[in-house]
Amino acid sequence: EPEVTQTPSHQVTQMGQEVILRCVPISNHLYFYWYRQILGQKVEFLVSFYNNEISEKSEIFDDQFSVERPDGSNFTLKIRSTKLEDSAMYFCASRWTAEKLFFGSGTQLSVL
Amino acid sequence: EDQVTQSPEALRLQEGESSSLNCSYTVSGLRGLFWYRQDPGKGPEFLFTLYSAGEEKEKERLKATLTKKESFLHITAPKPEDSATYLCAVQAGWGQAGTALIFGKGTTLSVSS
Repeated sequence: EPEVTQTPSHQVTQMGQEVILRCVPISNHLYFYWYRQILGQKVEFLVSFYNNEISEKSEIFDDQFSVERPDGSNFTLKIRSTKLEDSAMYFCASRWTAEKLFFGSGTQLSVL
Repeated sequence: EDQVTQSPEALRLQEGESSSLNCSYTVSGLRGLFWYRQDPGKGPEFLFTLYSAGEEKEKERLKATLTKKESFLHITAPKPEDSATYLCAVQAGWGQAGTALIFGKGTTLSVSS
């Protein structure tokens, strides 16, 4: 079965550094998302992306965050200057229909 | 404010002991209610989508139902491999915006043999 692939699985960075989290969505999907889950808390929506532009974003997704689809297969989340509170599991997701949203296995980001 | 509340937070069952998980929601314009399974260190795995009150869906030992205010995930004769965190999420709003899912905190199910 096709799956959403995320790399790396773990990322450790120093506070203030830039990080890029990478995702390869399922190939025929058109809608792409980033969610995050802080340890012990709810899965939270960050941003949705369709037709090469952001369609919706949450209050969490401030100017420090950006997304890009640099080619036909990759979808990236960049955090410009990481903070301690950015430590979380980041999930990429994609869908073709409204019925099913498929999630990747996540990137565990640790900011020291 | 759109909100999803799941109960109980944790549930321990013996193998074969059926039970139900609850998801209550408050949203303006429900587009869909979703159930996901999440194993430790993994992403949510899609189980069901429900769209309107009275709708039911089944998959193996799981059955999801929906009313105007809540959804239930019924687990019949669970096995140890059903142990996981079960997440409920709603999609609210209309148009191209409003496709984001709002998640509850989940119910962590442990099934012992």
